[in-house]
Amino acid sequence: QLQLQESGPGLVKASETLSLTCTVSGGSVGSPTHYWGWVRQPPGKGLEWIGRIYYNGNSYSNPSLKSRVSMSVDTSKNEFSLKLSSVTAADTAVFYCVRMFDWNRHCDSWGQGTLAIV
Amino acid sequence: QSVLTQPPSVSAAPGQKVTISCSGTTSGIGNDYVSWYQLLPGTAPKLLIYDDNKRLSGIPDRFSGSKSGTSATLGITGLQTGDEAEYYCGTWDSSLNVYVFGSGTKVTVL
Repeated sequence: QLQLQESGPGLVKASETLSLTCTVSGGSVGSPTHYWGWVRQPPGKGLEWIGRIYYNGNSYSNPSLKSRVSMSVDTSKNEFSLKLSSVTAADTAVFYCVRMFDWNRHCDSWGQGTLAIV
Repeated sequence: QSVLTQPPSVSAAPGQKVTISCSGTTSGIGNDYVSWYQLLPGTAPKLLIYDDNKRLSGIPDRFSGSKSGTSATLGITGLQTGDEAEYYCGTWDSSLNVYVFGSGTKVTVL
């Protein structure tokens, strides 16, 4: 059974870079059959799609965040990562890693989420 | 502000039915598949419905999805206390080039 687990510092200082990692078990980030992505939910607000990455490293980010987002994939560790730079208090959120069925399709598996406070 | 509009809350008694609407645009719901997600506090969000009306394996048939034009609907019949959660619709928006989520609906079982 596919499982995703986010990890990273719970507290980040304003103007610094938030770094999160998603460790995948029961599946492979090196498989070309799916995409991997990130979604966040600020406290009391709705979900926001951050972006996705493919097994070969090709990534695409939400235009509203594009200049601050960097994603990578490490097939040897079966994990993928997110970096969000120049964070402000508005970036405080629960961050979820997800598996996407395709580049523009539904998120079929989710991690439990990790709260990052700026 | 989300491009997909949902009612903030719906409620019903146990055993009753609720429907959650998701209103969008021609470049979003009108152009691509809709999915529905359940968010329960303290647990990983769960995909319920994908491709407008297909239930993910293991999701009870009390949950159903439909779509017409630029609107979609999630139905929950035989409401149970365990269904108390937030529900979000989602789709790809070809104009914004981003996956968008609805504003979210809180379901309360009275």
